[in-house]
Amino acid sequence: EPEVTQTPSHQVTQMGQEVILRCVPISNHLYFYWYRQILGQKVEFLVSFYNNEISEKSEIFDDQFSVERPDGSNFTLKIRSTKLEDSAMYFCASVVERGNQPQHFGDGTRLSIL
Amino acid sequence: AQTVTQSQPEMSVQEAETVTLSCTYDTSESDYYLFWYKQPPSRQMILVIRQEAYKQQNATENRFSVNFQKAAKSFSLKISDSQLGDAAMYFCAYSLQGAQKLVFGQGTRLTINP
Repeated sequence: EPEVTQTPSHQVTQMGQEVILRCVPISNHLYFYWYRQILGQKVEFLVSFYNNEISEKSEIFDDQFSVERPDGSNFTLKIRSTKLEDSAMYFCASVVERGNQPQHFGDGTRLSIL
Repeated sequence: AQTVTQSQPEMSVQEAETVTLSCTYDTSESDYYLFWYKQPPSRQMILVIRQEAYKQQNATENRFSVNFQKAAKSFSLKISDSQLGDAAMYFCAYSLQGAQKLVFGQGTRLTINP
């Protein structure tokens, strides 16, 4: 069965550095998402992306964050200047269409900011 | 804003027994979807079961069933004949019809005792 893949599985970065988290959604899916989970807290929505533009974003998704789909297969989340509080598990998800179709999740990238 | 609450951080059950995981949510909408996702250790979240709010009949998937009480805004998951492979973190999630993001509960860690 097709899967959403995320790389790397663990990223360690110095505070203030830029980091790019990568995701390869399922090939025929059209809607893409990033979520994050700070240790011990809920999974939180960050952003959704469709037709090469952001369709919805949360208040967490400030100017430090950006997303893009550079080549038709990868879907990336960039954090420009990381902060300690960005340490979390980041999940990518995709779905073929909106509505009642379930989102398919990747394994996540654990981001540790030092 | 929609919220999802899972009041049981941890649950345990004997193998082959039945366990029920609780979830409540808050919304003023009438059309929405509810999901249970399972996340085994170090693995991706996978869909266990989903329920459309307009359907009165409770969803079932093999050993998994839900008790959907729309008026009470309750959506519990029952796992029958628990198996060792059911051990995981279980997340309850809500999605507004036609919307894109999932709103998650805090999760319940389920342990299966042999």
